[in-house]
Amino acid sequence: GNSVTQMEGPVTLSEEAFLTINCTYTATGYPSLFWYVQYPGEGLQLLLKATKADDKGSNKGFEATYRKETTSFHLEKGSVQVSDSAVYFCALSGRRNNNDMRFGAGTRLTVKP
Amino acid sequence: DVKVTQSSRYLVKRTGEKVFLECVQDMDHENMFWYRQDPGLGLRLIYFSYDVKMKEKGDIPEGYSVSREKKERFSLILESASTNQTSMYLCASGALQPSGANVLTFGAGSRLTVL
Repeated sequence: GNSVTQMEGPVTLSEEAFLTINCTYTATGYPSLFWYVQYPGEGLQLLLKATKADDKGSNKGFEATYRKETTSFHLEKGSVQVSDSAVYFCALSGRRNNNDMRFGAGTRLTVKP
Repeated sequence: DVKVTQSSRYLVKRTGEKVFLECVQDMDHENMFWYRQDPGLGLRLIYFSYDVKMKEKGDIPEGYSVSREKKERFSLILESASTNQTSMYLCASGALQPSGANVLTFGAGSRLTVL
């Protein structure tokens, strides 16, 4: 079945550092890929998405490119801020079933001033 | 501002009690979901509903049931709470995109502790 694997955390960075959180997936067909973010005490929010190969999703300075050849969707940001401290979830959605949504285990990011 | 509202942020219950977790969305979405979130395990789907009175089991339905009597409301029921159901419960509603994928909007979560 479909699954998502993302790098384990926690990740601790200094402000203005470069961020990469790795995500790889296993899926049949052509899933859509997502990054969700969960700030402390809140539910998950959609950060960005990509629906087909080579698409690049971007939002708030974060980017991720749908790489079919490497089955990856790594999250990157060039210069993180303290306010980016949160838990980040990679997810995929298949196209056949309403319940075919899979999440990674989450990666906790802490950015220090 | 569209919303998914979960009725209780924190609950403490005793083993064997019946627990109701309520979720309401104001986006007229067809699909609604209940997940539980545990450290290191990410989100696991308990149940989802694609229409009023319709429900399907997710990956971990044992010990749970759901009710969807109205489009905007999706309830999760623990018939007899157990300590291994201590967790964060997340409700979401989904908008099906032209691509066929669900984009989910989540509630703030309900943290349940079963003693």
